[in-house]
Amino acid sequence: DQQVKQNSPSLSVQEGRISILNCDYTNSMFDYFLWYKKYPAEGPTFLISISSIKDKNEDGRFTVFLNKSAKHLSLHIVPSQPGDSAVYFCAASEESFGNEKLTFGTGTRLTIIP
Amino acid sequence: EPEVTQTPSHQVTQMGQEVILRCVPISNHLYFYWYRQILGQKVEFLVSFYNNEISEKSEIFDDQFSVERPDGSNFTLKIRSTKLEDSAMYFCASSDLVRVDKNIQYFGAGTRLSVL
Repeated sequence: DQQVKQNSPSLSVQEGRISILNCDYTNSMFDYFLWYKKYPAEGPTFLISISSIKDKNEDGRFTVFLNKSAKHLSLHIVPSQPGDSAVYFCAASEESFGNEKLTFGTGTRLTIIP
Repeated sequence: EPEVTQTPSHQVTQMGQEVILRCVPISNHLYFYWYRQILGQKVEFLVSFYNNEISEKSEIFDDQFSVERPDGSNFTLKIRSTKLEDSAMYFCASSDLVRVDKNIQYFGAGTRLSVL
């Protein structure tokens, strides 16, 4: 039951270039989306989120784009830095009053090449 | 910056034994969660907890699992009789209803449970 899919298990990008990580979802009830970053032996760290009422959210080097009709979101990192090397998870939840469980994708391992 | 803390970082146990995984959520948060990640697989929701009761649980969270908030700061996950397939990384998370970013869950570093 893969409601959230990250089809690229890995991605390598040159330092300074743009990294684009993609995520697709199938559950039309999802209306809040998050990206988490995870280093080995650490928990997921929140990066950026977007509500379904928006199509773009920006925070410094990180921008998330949401295409509701295509059920697709992407995370853009520009410029990419060596410290960005990590596993990135896309997650989704349904809007409700609290207790919105997160459904995660399988993750994309991003490697930034110096 | 406030963070979710989990202990122990690694727990080794024999099959059939009980284990308790501990978490201290961020102090002003009201919603608490447990997730797990089996090696090589995705992070999966186990249970959410609010106002001293379970709000939602997944099919993974069977009768062998229980959660408790024994005092004002700790949040625990108990596995009554561990099985080999319970071996995984267990993450605790918490979130804050009051803020605009109420959907954001903050995760601890996890407890690696190894069942032998």
